Amino acid sequence: DAKTTQPPSMDCAEGRAANLPCNHSTISGNEYVYWYRQIHSQGPQYIIHGLKNNETNEMASLIITEDRKSSTLILPHATLRDTAVYYCIVRVVASGTYKYIFGTGTRLKVLA
Amino acid sequence: DAGVTQSPTHLIKTRGQQVTLRCSPISGHKSVSWYQQVLGQGPQFIFQYYEKEERGRGNFPDRFSARQFPNYSSELNVNALLLGDSALYLCASSFLGTANEKLFFGSGTQLSVL
Repeated sequence: DAKTTQPPSMDCAEGRAANLPCNHSTISGNEYVYWYRQIHSQGPQYIIHGLKNNETNEMASLIITEDRKSSTLILPHATLRDTAVYYCIVRVVASGTYKYIFGTGTRLKVLA
Repeated sequence: DAGVTQSPTHLIKTRGQQVTLRCSPISGHKSVSWYQQVLGQGPQFIFQYYEKEERGRGNFPDRFSARQFPNYSSELNVNALLLGDSALYLCASSFLGTANEKLFFGSGTQLSVL
């Protein structure tokens, strides 16, 4: 029951902005979009999340289209340490609880 | 503050055996979720527990079971292990109940079934 699609891999030059797209065309009105990243098979690390407004924090920005069918994670100044697999996730409400549905992720490689 | 802790970090079992994985959530978090991550894929939801009750279950066979203790720690049990159960098992905790909640993941238990 995958709800997101992402490109399998992307490269980005160090110091440049990394823009990672995600398609979630079947998202429902109360379902949030989350982004996590995973480095070297460690546990996924939270980056940012949003419902319909654009969001920004110290790590990244999240741009959600007006129809909510897609979003873009922006890492403004990518560093080598940002090399990781980035997961776009839809959080659904099921049986009175939240269920996080991961996609297959985008492997981002930041190049020196 | 300690994050989510999981034990053991690595485990090797043979087909047909049983395994128990353990997880301690972040202090104050009452919800624990379990995920299975097969190599090259995203994590897949197995269970969620809140206040010692199962609140959600993914599409996994009955060989998988879990429980949550009064201190909110949790165990995941897998019986009759199959080769396909080889994966990274991730535990995540959260303070369930807010729309803006976040999941905090542990580093996982790498299970190899031979």
